[in-house]
Amino acid sequence: AQRVTQPEKLLSVFKGAPVELKCNYSYSGSPELFWYVQYSRQRLQLLLRHISRESIKGFTADLNKGETSFHLKKPFAQEEDSAMYYCAPLGGGGNKLTFGTGTQLKVEL
Amino acid sequence: DVKVTQSSRYLVKRTGEKVFLECVQDMDHENMFWYRQDPGLGLRLIYFSYDVKMKEKGDIPEGYSVSREKKERFSLILESASTNQTSMYLCASSFFGQGKGQPQHFGDGTRLSIL
Repeated sequence: AQRVTQPEKLLSVFKGAPVELKCNYSYSGSPELFWYVQYSRQRLQLLLRHISRESIKGFTADLNKGETSFHLKKPFAQEEDSAMYYCAPLGGGGNKLTFGTGTQLKVEL
Repeated sequence: DVKVTQSSRYLVKRTGEKVFLECVQDMDHENMFWYRQDPGLGLRLIYFSYDVKMKEKGDIPEGYSVSREKKERFSLILESASTNQTSMYLCASSFFGQGKGQPQHFGDGTRLSIL
């Protein structure tokens, strides 16, 4: 069974500081990974997926197969980035996602 | 824009009751999912369905069942509600990926309290 680990429950940074939300996974085969975000009082939504190799709201995530990591990064945190972030590898058929326990990002002024 | 609608935002039921949570999507998605979301545990998959009348167990199916009679609707049933089923329940849907992952689209959630 695949597993995903988000080691930090809460990450607090100051506005303008770099952000790195950690995600490590265990998966046999070629994983496909996603980051989802849930802002306060909003529904969970897709932030980005590794195969797209795109930057969304200034966030990027690189799949490191050697370290089995998919960390989410942003060079300069903004107040509106405060949210709960979930890492989710895909697998198991039927497009099943396995969600991590989530990291609450708090950006302080 | 994809719309996933869950019938109730808040629901309060008593132990032993049979509880129905409804979810409807309007994008003709093949896949539909039910999760529960608990602090410190993230999202855990209860059941999913990849076609009408098809269902598969997720990671925590005990105490739950599902029904998918129409493509757009996926119901979660708590056969005999217990207090440990108090949680936020999220419904999601996605296209079938054919080997390529498709993003899931989520509803607003139903916060269920079992007294």
